Amino acid sequence: GNSVTQMEGPVTLSEEAFLTINCTYTATGYPSLFWYVQYPGEGLQLLLKATKADDKGSNKGFEATYRKETTSFHLEKGSVQVSDSAVYFCALRETSGSRLTFGEGTQLTVNP
Amino acid sequence: SAVISQKPSRDICQRGTSLTIQCQVDSQVTMMFWYRQQPGQSLTLIATANQGSEATYESGFVIDKFPISRPNLTFSTLTVSNMSPEDSSIYLCSVDGGVRGTGELFFGEGSRLTVL
Repeated sequence: GNSVTQMEGPVTLSEEAFLTINCTYTATGYPSLFWYVQYPGEGLQLLLKATKADDKGSNKGFEATYRKETTSFHLEKGSVQVSDSAVYFCALRETSGSRLTFGEGTQLTVNP
Repeated sequence: SAVISQKPSRDICQRGTSLTIQCQVDSQVTMMFWYRQQPGQSLTLIATANQGSEATYESGFVIDKFPISRPNLTFSTLTVSNMSPEDSSIYLCSVDGGVRGTGELFFGEGSRLTVL
């Protein structure tokens, strides 16, 4: 079956540090890949997505590239802010009518 | 994008009682998904609800415990029955990105239930 594995957390960084959150996946087909963010006390928001190999999703300074050869979709940001503190979920969807499969989530705390 | 409203946003419930969560969408959608997020955990799919048919439940979830209604294309309810403290979770409704959606799901704010 499909699965998503995220790097172990939590992650604590200082403001303006570089961020990488690793995500790898297992899927039988060619899934679409997503990063969702959950700010404290809120629901999930789509951060970025990529629907095919070598696509790069980007939003709010965050980027992730769909790497089929390494089955990865690592999230990066060059300079994090305190407001980026949240839980980040990597997810995949095999077809447009199927469920989202989520990774474990990574808690990011950015200190001033 | 779809705007999803859930009620209640939070509640404190007594053991053995049942609570119904409502999900209202601002556009017609075919598929609605109900997820559970236990404290400090990721999201687990409870069931998929299509209008006009029985909900499809995931392994580990049963209709008697989590009955779902889907009376039309913009509304669904999830009931958590005979609650125990282990049911304390955030329950989230989600929908597809629409006719031209590229596969993402949109989520409501969630309903945070605490069972005493």
